[in-house]
Amino acid sequence: AQKVTQAQTEISVVEKEDVTLDCVYETRDTTYYLFWYKQPPSGELVFLIRRNSFDEQNEISGRYSWNFQKSTSSFNFTITASQVVDSAVYFCALSEAQDSSYKLIFGSGTRLLVRP
Amino acid sequence: DTEVTQTPKHLVMGMTNKKSLKCEQHMGHRAMYWYKQKAKKPPELMFVYSYEKLSINESVPSRFSPECPNSSLLNLHLHALQPEDSALYLCASSHPGQGADEQFFGPGTRLTVL
Repeated sequence: AQKVTQAQTEISVVEKEDVTLDCVYETRDTTYYLFWYKQPPSGELVFLIRRNSFDEQNEISGRYSWNFQKSTSSFNFTITASQVVDSAVYFCALSEAQDSSYKLIFGSGTRLLVRP
Repeated sequence: DTEVTQTPKHLVMGMTNKKSLKCEQHMGHRAMYWYKQKAKKPPELMFVYSYEKLSINESVPSRFSPECPNSSLLNLHLHALQPEDSALYLCASSHPGQGADEQFFGPGTRLTVL
């Protein structure tokens, strides 16, 4: 069965520290898609990044970077120079086919608290 | 317009009430989703509509009844709910592609069942 594991339940850092959120996944598929979403206290999930299984290039977007390694089935997310506004719950997710549709398999989430 | 809207934002209902949650998007997405999220848990998929047809029902109790009247609207009709159904209900939409398309989420309806 497909599965996403986010072993870190909560992380607390001081502003300007770098922080890495871990994500490990399990899948039988050779083609698959991984996602990261951010959920601030307001509740809305915000899409951050999508990665397909054929593209192992790391990606950087401002202070955010992602490290995808198929060999270890990991898709880790690093925030450089964290800010208080980064405080949120972060979910890693894997897209799974079911019947004629797709659904997201979410990890349990990592709650990040950035203290001033 | 890259927004998914949900109404109401908050809803309090008794166990004998009938109410509906509404979701709307104008991004041309033909897949729409209902999720239920309990506190400190990830979202759990309830239903998927693809091209206005129900394509996934994750064994949700019949007291939840989804409806997709057109490609922009998604409703969730609620009847005879239980207190344990209190949660954040999230709607999302996407292109019904090959699993590559990101889902856009609405802000959710926070439901309390008394």
